[in-house]
Amino acid sequence: SAVISQKPSRDICQRGTSLTIQCQVDSQVTMMFWYRQQPGQSLTLIATANQGSEATYESGFVIDKFPISRPNLTFSTLTVSNMSPEDSSIYLCSVRTGGQPQHFGDGTRLSIL
Amino acid sequence: SQQGEEDPQALSIQEGENATMNCSYKTSINNLQWYRQNSGRGLVHLILIRSNEREKHSGRLRVTLDTSKKSSSLLITASRAADTASYFCATSQGGSEKLVFGKGTKLTVNP
Repeated sequence: SAVISQKPSRDICQRGTSLTIQCQVDSQVTMMFWYRQQPGQSLTLIATANQGSEATYESGFVIDKFPISRPNLTFSTLTVSNMSPEDSSIYLCSVRTGGQPQHFGDGTRLSIL
Repeated sequence: SQQGEEDPQALSIQEGENATMNCSYKTSINNLQWYRQNSGRGLVHLILIRSNEREKHSGRLRVTLDTSKKSSSLLITASRAADTASYFCATSQGGSEKLVFGKGTKLTVNP
């Protein structure tokens, strides 16, 4: 399966600032996704990152708050903008290609003070 | 809204015992998958069962699927301390690639 590198692995940020999370895959993949996992909760899909076009956002998530880029088939970024303590979560990148199941990166643990 | 609901929310057993976790869902699915998450890290894919399958095995894992009851179970046999983790079921529906996750079961295996 693809090897997924997510950076940073964790960060502590001040409210009102923004952080960009990177997801790098060691091979070309068809689909890339971004999920949020709030403390003690399950995973919720934020958006599907589309190569060369705007991401497809799920209900409750908007581009102004979570801008996503996917310039090629191996790389994507998620920005968490104007952060507040409610944004403290684990953010996970996942990929899917061919007939394989989705595989996940190790996640970014984000705390906002 | 969450598609899957795991049961129990938490499970504590002794090493060597079997652990059974259940997942229920609400709508028709293409497949159901189980993932493991160790201590807030990334998810590891365990097993996928398609909607036309009833049972699947992988090592010490056994998954069943009952589409008439919209439920699945994950059995871990001869558990080990290293099995301590949270386990999530996830479903996909229709032509969508999106996964909808359940709330998870936190399993603790005591040495």
